[in-house]
Amino acid sequence: KQEVTQIPAALSVPEGENLVLNCSFTDSAIYNLQWFRQDPGKGLTSLLLIQSSQREQTSGRLNASLDKSSGRSTLYIAASQPGDSATYLCAVAPNAGGTSYGKLTFGQGTILTVHP
Amino acid sequence: EPEVTQTPSHQVTQMGQEVILRCVPISNHLYFYWYRQILGQKVEFLVSFYNNEISEKSEIFDDQFSVERPDGSNFTLKIRSTKLEDSAMYFCASSRQWGQGAFGSGTRLTVV
Repeated sequence: KQEVTQIPAALSVPEGENLVLNCSFTDSAIYNLQWFRQDPGKGLTSLLLIQSSQREQTSGRLNASLDKSSGRSTLYIAASQPGDSATYLCAVAPNAGGTSYGKLTFGQGTILTVHP
Repeated sequence: EPEVTQTPSHQVTQMGQEVILRCVPISNHLYFYWYRQILGQKVEFLVSFYNNEISEKSEIFDDQFSVERPDGSNFTLKIRSTKLEDSAMYFCASSRQWGQGAFGSGTRLTVV
């Protein structure tokens, strides 16, 4: 059974700092990995999706890497801003074929606070 | 930008009552999902739906749960007889391809 773990559970940084969030998964047979942002009481916003054949994806100040063989992904946020404060979730889709691709397994998230 | 819409945003129900949570997926999406998040816990997969039938379901999705796409635009989750432990945020998602969904903002279900 796939298990996804995120470290740290919470992170507080001053504005402007570069930071790294970590995600690990136990079963390397994944179809893709996604990073989501969740604001309090709100839904999940997909930030980056990395297919299993890719090593990284970038969007603006965000860069996500994937090392499938070691079961790890990192989300790098450059020049953090107070508006980046949110919970960041990592989720993997299994590569078990057919309809299983849609069954995401989530980590527990990292609560990020960026203070001015 | 198109988005997944969920109603209501918050529902309070008495234990034992039936509830229906409603979702309007993005119009050209073919794959539909329900997830839930109990307060303080991980987001958990409940069920996926494609071509008018359930594709996958988790062990959480027992006989008390059902899903339906009644009219080609709505996607509903019904809980037949709610229990206290059903209290959670329920998220609907839809996608054009497996594993790349857009999520709605959720319905917070409180069972009292």
